Amino acid sequence: DAGITQSPRYKITETGRQVTLMCHQTWSHSYMFWYRQDLGHGLRLIYYSAAADITDKGEVPDGYVVSRSKTENFPLTLESATRSQTSVYFCASIQGLAGVRATDTQYFGPGTRLTVL
Amino acid sequence: DAKTTQPPSMDCAEGRAANLPCNHSTISGNEYVYWYRQIHSQGPQYIIHGLKNNETNEMASLIITEDRKSSTLILPHATLRDTAVYYCIVRAPNFGNEKLTFGTGTRLTIIP
Repeated sequence: DAGITQSPRYKITETGRQVTLMCHQTWSHSYMFWYRQDLGHGLRLIYYSAAADITDKGEVPDGYVVSRSKTENFPLTLESATRSQTSVYFCASIQGLAGVRATDTQYFGPGTRLTVL
Repeated sequence: DAKTTQPPSMDCAEGRAANLPCNHSTISGNEYVYWYRQIHSQGPQYIIHGLKNNETNEMASLIITEDRKSSTLILPHATLRDTAVYYCIVRAPNFGNEKLTFGTGTRLTIIP
């Protein structure tokens, strides 16, 4: 049972480089999310997607680009990496809420630790 | 504005019950209380959720006060593997409201 996977798990890059973090889920969940987590902060939402070709900004979208051409994939791209983007990135998915379907829970991937030098 | 307030840290002896409080005094009538936890370096994990009745599953129990302004997550027999950061989140299960807003949570340390 693959669930939700992220790649790479660790990445070191240099300032100004383009980096793409991959997220793949096998459940055909409608919604997918990208969070970042830094020391002293909880998880902060970067972008999310309600379905293929539908994306929206979260709390901290600046410097990031997302796409979702297929339901199962939700890549996150740092077009020109900066040191402030050094963080742990988590991808998540949820089937979607409708009415009182509060039992839908959000499932998280294992994270990608990104270091920008 | 934070919708929930949790103590930053707590300790609990192994084998004892861990009781983690959460204040959500501005909770709306249709908002559920969710608990997630994050073990070091891993992605957050769902624990339990509830609306107004107490809930129990294989991981924990959730006690919600009658006025719904606070709740307590109970881990009945804490083990070292329960050491983690615990997040209390309130959310209404409405279409378009699927994203979670995480606070800083409570860092629970289980003491051997």
